[in-house]
Amino acid sequence: GAVVSQHPSRVICKSGTSVKIECRSLDFQATTMFWYRQFPKQSLMLMATSNEGSKATYEQGVEKDKFLINHASLTLSTLTVTSAHPEDSSFYICSARPGLASTGELFFGEGSRLTVL
Amino acid sequence: AQSVAQPEDQVNVAEGNPLTVKCTYSVSGNPYLFWYVQYPNRGLQFLLKYITGDNLVKGSYGFEAEFNKSQTSFHLKKPSALVSDSALYFCAVRSTGFQKLVFGTGTRLLVSP
Repeated sequence: GAVVSQHPSRVICKSGTSVKIECRSLDFQATTMFWYRQFPKQSLMLMATSNEGSKATYEQGVEKDKFLINHASLTLSTLTVTSAHPEDSSFYICSARPGLASTGELFFGEGSRLTVL
Repeated sequence: AQSVAQPEDQVNVAEGNPLTVKCTYSVSGNPYLFWYVQYPNRGLQFLLKYITGDNLVKGSYGFEAEFNKSQTSFHLKKPSALVSDSALYFCAVRSTGFQKLVFGTGTRLLVSP
C-alpha cells in the first residue's frame, strides 16, 4: 500500500515553544491530507483538512492560530503547534489518500507523540 | 450527519477461536466503510473496506467484514484469532460526497494464548 511518513515520532518541548510535525506521502501525490489528534484510550479526532496550495479547513473547536497547517507541495503537509502548553500533549496522526478517487482508503503516518513540559 | 458506533470497549477471545468486533453506522447517503488496526504508539493500518458489491469483504491478515445494510452494520470477523491480533481496532465511515472519515471509539481486542 501507499506510504505516509511522519516526523518526528516523538518530541518533547518546553511550554511556550513551537513544534513542527511533518507529514509526507512517499510514493504518491496527495492534494488533501488530514490531521488527527488522539487522546489516550480515545478515538481519533479530526483537526483539519489540509489542502495543497490553499488554506486548511479546520474542524469546529480547533484553534487555527494554535495549530498552523501548511500544505506547500503535493507530498508534504506540516502541522505547527504554536506556543505549546501541557494540554497540547497528545498523539498527532496525519493521513492521506492516493489519487482522486473518493472511494480510496486513507493511509496513515506512524504518528507523532508530543509531550509539553 | 455521519456516525459510527463500536459498542464494545474490549473484546476478549482465546487464540484459535473466532472473533467478532462490532460496528454500526449512520450516514445520509451510501456508506463507504473501513476497518483499521492500531498497535501501541503507531499509526493506523488499513485492513479492509466496503464500497459496493459483495457484502462480504476480505482484507489483510485473514480478516473479513460483512456489510449488512438493513442492520447498518459492518462487523469485523476472523475465523481463528492469533495472539498477534491483539490491538486496537477502529471502524470508520464516509458517505458519498464527503471527504471526512468518521471513526468509532475503537475496540481493544485481546487474544489470550
